[in-house]
Amino acid sequence: GAVVSQHPSWVICKSGTSVKIECRSLDFQATTMFWYRQFPKQSLMLMATSNEGSKATYEQGVEKDKFLINHASLTLSTLTVTSAHPEDSSFYICSASHGASNEKLFFGSGTQLSVL
Amino acid sequence: QKEVEQDPGPLSVPEGAIVSLNCTYSNSAFQYFMWYRQYSRKGPELLMYTYSSGNKEDGRFTAQVDKSSKYISLFIRDSQPSDSATYLCALRVAAGNKLTFGGGTRVLVKP
Repeated sequence: GAVVSQHPSWVICKSGTSVKIECRSLDFQATTMFWYRQFPKQSLMLMATSNEGSKATYEQGVEKDKFLINHASLTLSTLTVTSAHPEDSSFYICSASHGASNEKLFFGSGTQLSVL
Repeated sequence: QKEVEQDPGPLSVPEGAIVSLNCTYSNSAFQYFMWYRQYSRKGPELLMYTYSSGNKEDGRFTAQVDKSSKYISLFIRDSQPSDSATYLCALRVAAGNKLTFGGGTRVLVKP
């Protein structure tokens, strides 16, 4: 399957700082990438849809000024958690569509964010 | 009522047994059906992908889609301890659209 690389795999930061998470499609171009959040023993919650060259589309209840998404190229999308607080601590996962009709979705390995 | 229902488990089976997983859904517009496996603190891994109704087999995995009943299944034959993970069903209305996930079923395969 297609490879999606996510970095870093884990990060610990102080409250009030910003954290950037990168998501790269290594062997294909992804016009659309998705960002998810996952709490322990729960399913994935879609945060936003990132389209290359345009503004991201955020799901209801997700603060766009808090979670900045940039999709500047066909292989890279970034999620920046601004002014992080302990309640932002979570597992963040990106994914990218691949296939002749973008029908298959492949995921990165996830980033565990811990805000102290 | 959730759009996609999935029993959270845990589902515990002995090594070598068949694991049977399923999801039910309410939106008849779903056309694409996927099963993912997720190990703890890892990203989901695509196991099976099916478009519309029917069966699909890949190695030890068989996926079934019954659109008339709005019911999808995943079977794992000859289960191994390494199959212990959370299995998520994911559905999509159209290619390029967002996925709707089930809550995931935790599976434990005991040696």
